[in-house]
Amino acid sequence: KAGVTQTPRYLIKTRGQQVTLSCSPISGHRSVSWYQQTPGQGLQFLFEYFSETQRNKGNFPGRFSGRQFSNSRSEMNVSTLELGDSALYLCASSTRGSGLAGITDTQYFGPGTRLTVL
Amino acid sequence: QKEVEQNSGPLSVPEGAIASLNCTYSDRGSQSFFWYRQYSGKSPELIMFIYSNGDKEDGRFTAQLNKASQYVSLLIRDSQPSDSATYLCAVKKTSGGYQKVTFGIGTKLQVIP
Repeated sequence: KAGVTQTPRYLIKTRGQQVTLSCSPISGHRSVSWYQQTPGQGLQFLFEYFSETQRNKGNFPGRFSGRQFSNSRSEMNVSTLELGDSALYLCASSTRGSGLAGITDTQYFGPGTRLTVL
Repeated sequence: QKEVEQNSGPLSVPEGAIASLNCTYSDRGSQSFFWYRQYSGKSPELIMFIYSNGDKEDGRFTAQLNKASQYVSLLIRDSQPSDSATYLCAVKKTSGGYQKVTFGIGTKLQVIP
């Protein structure tokens, strides 16, 4: 089974621009979560999408947004880029079951998109 | 208080020794606990998870959970230089349709040949 894929792998943008990142989950996984990883802050949760609906959101400004399509693929958009947005953006997919399946459900990460804002 | 706390390290152990990585969490309602390994420049990869008190073994790895103490650990036996990486502890809470996964900052492990 193919793993989580993310495109593009690397991006260089300038301040004020916007960027769209894409994530394709493992086949059969309907939940996609996005994380920002920086050396000082570690993995910070951005949001989770399940069945095309945002289910949970982290403490990030409204410049960060996302969506999920009917095939479970997800996109993340960052508008008006700032220098501090430079980071590794990771998406993770899971099945998001219920009951015990929900408790033991595991997130699998994609390779990430390295965003550099100049 | 951070929701998930880990010592950032580095933790240095000689090759062949047991590496002990620790994680504490603040939310008593947390239900499952995951350990990921992340090599420099790569994405996290799952090592194992645990949700019941006690020990769970998988090869050279043992996860230990003590919910009363809000403490989870990962033991790596016979540590190898290839185990040198950052180890992330993740804590999950689910309730109805709500799910939250919180990661610690990670502990950097160095296995010295």
